[in-house]
Amino acid sequence: AQSVAQPEDQVNVAEGNPLTVKCTYSVSGNPYLFWYVQYPNRGLQFLLKYITGDNLVKGSYGFEAEFNKSQTSFHLKKPSALVSDSALYFCAVSPPGGYQKVTFGTGTKLQVIP
Amino acid sequence: DGGITQSPKYLFRKEGQNVTLSCEQNLNHDAMYWYRQDPGQGLRLIYYSQIVNDFQKGDIAEGYSVSREKKESFPLTVTSAQKNPTAFYLCASSEFAGTTDTQYFGPGTRLTVL
Repeated sequence: AQSVAQPEDQVNVAEGNPLTVKCTYSVSGNPYLFWYVQYPNRGLQFLLKYITGDNLVKGSYGFEAEFNKSQTSFHLKKPSALVSDSALYFCAVSPPGGYQKVTFGTGTKLQVIP
Repeated sequence: DGGITQSPKYLFRKEGQNVTLSCEQNLNHDAMYWYRQDPGQGLRLIYYSQIVNDFQKGDIAEGYSVSREKKESFPLTVTSAQKNPTAFYLCASSEFAGTTDTQYFGPGTRLTVL
């Protein structure tokens, strides 16, 4: 069975500093990995995904994520945090082949401090 | 949230009542999903539908029912058999049901049992 872990419930970072939100996964075969963001009382919005190819994936709003197969990680990063980046971030994984359900992590709350 | 609407935004239910949450999409997507979100637990899949007139149970289907009579609509009924229905419910859709497909989420319905 696949799983995804977000080890930090909350990450605090000063505005202008780089941010990292961590994600590790477990799946049989090559994974498909996603990052979504959720603002309060809203649905999730897609940020980026890794399917194949370049390990560094660039997404919306200046976010990027690096796929590391040996460490089974897919950490979300941004060079310079904005206060408006404060939100709940979800990592998700799905296995290769056919339809199988996506598994979401428990979410990491990002707080960017002015 | 564009393209997927959920109604109502807030819903209050008395114990023993069935309630139906609406989800409509105008993205012409084949696949639709219902998730439940509880604090600290991430998203859990209730039901999904890969195509009209077909749907499958997710991880926590007990106490819920769905229908998919039209491509654009995927209503969720929370029955009195669901013992703890207070939660935030999210509907999503994807172009197809493949594991690489991005899911697009509605704004959610917050259900509270009185």
